[in-house]
Amino acid sequence: GQNIDQPTEMTATEGAIVQINCTYQTSGFNGLFWYQQHAGEAPTFLSYNVLDGLEEKGRFSSFLSRSKGYSYLLLKELQMKDSASYLCATGDRGSTLGRLYFGRGTQLTVWP
Amino acid sequence: DGGITQSPKYLFRKEGQNVTLSCEQNLNHDAMYWYRQDPGQGLRLIYYSQIVNDFQKGDIAEGYSVSREKKESFPLTVTSAQKNPTAFYLCASSTDIVPGRGSPLHFGNGTRLTVT
Repeated sequence: GQNIDQPTEMTATEGAIVQINCTYQTSGFNGLFWYQQHAGEAPTFLSYNVLDGLEEKGRFSSFLSRSKGYSYLLLKELQMKDSASYLCATGDRGSTLGRLYFGRGTQLTVWP
Repeated sequence: DGGITQSPKYLFRKEGQNVTLSCEQNLNHDAMYWYRQDPGQGLRLIYYSQIVNDFQKGDIAEGYSVSREKKESFPLTVTSAQKNPTAFYLCASSTDIVPGRGSPLHFGNGTRLTVT
């Protein structure tokens, strides 16, 4: 199984930068995903990391350190529409192929 | 446009009744999943299927059943044996049976089930 931990809530102001951390413990790490979920809607895919380092995609970047079991999602130039829950999820190379394990999500509120 | 369709968006049932949630995808994905989401908790896996006519229990399968007779369809039945069925249910699919290889899950818009 997996043990995924991320903060429950974060707040920031419009135009600022925010970093959402995720730590995990896994028996067979096979990549880390970040999803965005607005209230009452489907999660949407943001990023995927399987190798160490930073992946940049527009205003969003995701970082992974496999040796530390650590990832973060960096959101720049925050906008009101970025207010959402951000879910960290890991894949498992072990016996439970074909599934992801999700953290509880970090609720981000962006203030004007 | 390709995607995953869940219906209905809202569903109300009386306690003791079975109810089936629909999930259809036209993305030609092999793998399909059912997750349950409760306030303050992460997505929890109920069942998943990697291929037609085959499916596996997830972490919270008790009180639920599924079928995978067609590649496009993966309905979930919430039975009267499920002790706390009120929740937001999300269906997902992926092109690769191992999402960890970089094939992200694509989610439907969810069904909010309320049982009274």
